[in-house]
Amino acid sequence: DGGITQSPKYLFRKEGQNVTLSCEQNLNHDAMYWYRQDPGQGLRLIYYSQIVNDFQKGDIAEGYSVSREKKESFPLTVTSAQKNPTAFYLCASRRWMDGGNYGYTFGSGTRLTVV
Amino acid sequence: GEDVEQSLFLSVREGDSSVINCTYTDSSSTYLYWYKQEPGAGLQLLTYIFSNMDMKQDQRLTVLLNKKDKHLSLRIADTQTGDSAIYFCAERGGQGGKLIFGQGTELSVKP
Repeated sequence: DGGITQSPKYLFRKEGQNVTLSCEQNLNHDAMYWYRQDPGQGLRLIYYSQIVNDFQKGDIAEGYSVSREKKESFPLTVTSAQKNPTAFYLCASRRWMDGGNYGYTFGSGTRLTVV
Repeated sequence: GEDVEQSLFLSVREGDSSVINCTYTDSSSTYLYWYKQEPGAGLQLLTYIFSNMDMKQDQRLTVLLNKKDKHLSLRIADTQTGDSAIYFCAERGGQGGKLIFGQGTELSVKP
């Protein structure tokens, strides 16, 4: 079955460390997205990529970095510059559907906690 | 700018109807979506509506769209305890096909 796999499900980071969250899809989708979820704030866009070797900043990109070397993979690095990284991180991919609509598929998320 | 607003909590009795409301600001939005999130999980698409429609019904779900007021609602008929979750309204943003989400409404269904 096709889908998006995020790993790990839980991640603990010490202050000052960089950590990388994995997102892999076998859906052959071109576009991929990273969102951050905090209670009561909904999902906010961190970075997105519409094609391999290209990506754009979202609304809250500071302290994060991404790469898109392969179509299937869109890893997110949370750097030490991100002052409040404890959150739930969701990866998504997008495909074209009939009628001009997009179909979005979400991963099951990674919960990052700073200890 | 683009903004989507939802109330944070809704509590209903099992068997009643639930109505979750959402307002958005981008009048050029073409598609509007409702997603469901269960605890510790990703988002599951419930339904969507194209901006030239007023209503869409899908089994227990009814979506109403008022373009003039930029108001979207999701009605869940015969709400069950399994419907307890966070419900997100989202509009498709212009750049990069991104989704712009509301804060999410936590629906609590009491037996």
